[in-house]
Amino acid sequence: DIQMTQSPASLSASLEEIVTITCQASQDIGNWLSWYQQKPGKSPQLLIYGATSLADGVPSRFSGSRSGTQYSLKISRLQVEDIGIYYCLQAYSAPNTFGAGTKLELK
Amino acid sequence: EVQLVESGGGLVQPGASLKLSCVASGFTFSDYWMSWVRQTPGKTMEWIGDIKYDGSYTNYAPSLKNRFTISRDNAKSTLYLQMSNVRSEDTATYYCTRDGEYSYWGQGVMVTVSS
Repeated sequence: DIQMTQSPASLSASLEEIVTITCQASQDIGNWLSWYQQKPGKSPQLLIYGATSLADGVPSRFSGSRSGTQYSLKISRLQVEDIGIYYCLQAYSAPNTFGAGTKLELK
Repeated sequence: EVQLVESGGGLVQPGASLKLSCVASGFTFSDYWMSWVRQTPGKTMEWIGDIKYDGSYTNYAPSLKNRFTISRDNAKSTLYLQMSNVRSEDTATYYCTRDGEYSYWGQGVMVTVSS
């Protein structure tokens, strides 16, 4: 199985701050990487697919990047509504695997 | 508007069977791969498996393959998850999701396995 190592596990940041979350894949997964946001009490929502493509309706302050087998999600200016848990997911090969999640809180 | 609505969860005893359903609307169900994902109380996300748009092919997480079965009825726009011999570690919120990007998720249904 492909392992997705996500960091940090938790993050406390201030409004307007730049936030970066990373996922390291245990092997090459190409661009088969997605990012999801889960707000408290809600279902996960797709933010980024194909490692770098912004999903419909997602604010442009969110962006995804790739360097080899390391993938990053960046929030350029943190807003209150961005609080929640963020997950990466690889869909390169079954079993698809999620990162452990990053809990993002306001400082 | 795309909607996925899960049902069938609840409190079940260890060793029992349970069948979850996910009714889809707002898109042509038979055009899409569908998946089941679960989230533990500790917020760990686990992929359960997926099914091809025509139901002819399925993938499963190896640890669940012998106890869980995914199926679909395209005429009813409904996805199913048959769970057998459930264990306490199956306690989770179960989500159905659409397509390879998991672009839409249902609201989730809770399953609690306890005696």
